[in-house]
Amino acid sequence: DSGVTQTPKHLITATGQRVTLRCSPRSGDLSVYWYQQSLDQGLQFLIHYYNGEERAKGNILERFSAQQFPDLHSELNLSSLELGDSALYFCASSVAPAGRPNTGELFFGEGSRLTVL
Amino acid sequence: SQQGEEDPQALSIQEGENATMNCSYKTSINNLQWYRQNSGRGLVHLILIRSNEREKHSGRLRVTLDTSKKSSSLLITASRAADTASYFCATVRMNRDDKIIFGKGTRLHILP
Repeated sequence: DSGVTQTPKHLITATGQRVTLRCSPRSGDLSVYWYQQSLDQGLQFLIHYYNGEERAKGNILERFSAQQFPDLHSELNLSSLELGDSALYFCASSVAPAGRPNTGELFFGEGSRLTVL
Repeated sequence: SQQGEEDPQALSIQEGENATMNCSYKTSINNLQWYRQNSGRGLVHLILIRSNEREKHSGRLRVTLDTSKKSSSLLITASRAADTASYFCATVRMNRDDKIIFGKGTRLHILP
């Protein structure tokens, strides 16, 4: 158990809909990362928050948005869903932000599997 | 774009043999990390090597880092069926935007 909790584990929805994925980081971790993994693909970096502030954006679509709340949990909002958005969405947490000499390992949740029909 | 690229994309070996996977990256890094992913599960951190280190060991794992060639290798010795998984390298770029970038991974299959 990594200590990172993601909900829901599975989600099936229709095109055009909106969903919210939730992540609770490991206790004490201030950094949250979101990644998208499509079938047989690597992990695409979406966005990174540190202590409530957005620190970096990857190739995140404009239809997607995220935030980190004062209690450090994070939500990823996906709207106007398309078939191609079907994927595993992972949240990971760490103590420190990336890009620092002391940046350490990421702890991953088990992911939220989104299926868009 | 991907910062790290693993090679090979897929690898099948007999149980007991050694498995070697490689990772190449593009920009200077603070550290490089290797992760394992069992099918459809979350990634698990295996080992971290810093830019000033050349080799690191953890159990049956050996990681090397060549910053001049911008490459790293992961060696799993005496492979076991439980090692069947995908392996990813991730780079923490030096003095850059706060991203940790993963490659596409190597799918390792250990044959009984």
